[in-house]
Amino acid sequence: QKEVEQDPGPLSVPEGAIVSLNCTYSNSAFQYFMWYRQYSRKGPELLMYTYSSGNKEDGRFTAQVDKSSKYISLFIRDSQPSDSATYLCAQSMGNQFYFGTGTSLTVIP
Amino acid sequence: IAGITQAPTSQILAAGRRMTLRCTQDMRHNAMYWYRQDLGLGLRLIHYSNTAGTTGKGEVPDGYSVSRANTDDFPLTLASAVPSQTSVYFCASSGLAGQGELFFGEGSRLTVL
Repeated sequence: QKEVEQDPGPLSVPEGAIVSLNCTYSNSAFQYFMWYRQYSRKGPELLMYTYSSGNKEDGRFTAQVDKSSKYISLFIRDSQPSDSATYLCAQSMGNQFYFGTGTSLTVIP
Repeated sequence: IAGITQAPTSQILAAGRRMTLRCTQDMRHNAMYWYRQDLGLGLRLIHYSNTAGTTGKGEVPDGYSVSRANTDDFPLTLASAVPSQTSVYFCASSGLAGQGELFFGEGSRLTVL
């Protein structure tokens, strides 16, 4: 079993829609939770970063961590065509980072 | 602009050849990592280094070696390339191993024929 499971999609939504991206993880010792965005033929870049559980909001993006169910989510409000990318969830523990396989998102104008 | 520089950007290589992918960071980060990214498999850790002078094996280390002679450089070597090593390789760094933001380079796209 992989440390982090993520629905690969692809996901296609109209502009302005609310997008929900989700991951589950297996190890309750994870402490740091992250979402990365990766544009085509580019390296991943950090989008959201949270420590432990709860919500974190940054503009149109909200990251949510539920440690009791080992579930993390990223919500994108008022989605834009520029949000079209692959989104990777990640967790870290000790000296290691663990990534989901990524969800491909396309926002249609 | 501070960050991670990878070279080459893209390379086609004959099977059996030796290849070194270069990675340099100018953020003075202690920890550095090499990942490969394959469709459907995501990012998989090849090797890592928590600090200069130390290295460790990740999830898929076979056929790869690394060295960390100083803080800034973390080259990845394929001693004898095989077609299954065709992939996109990403170098990354973080200030503290396993904590904080992981910064990525732009990737090296390697094709082994």
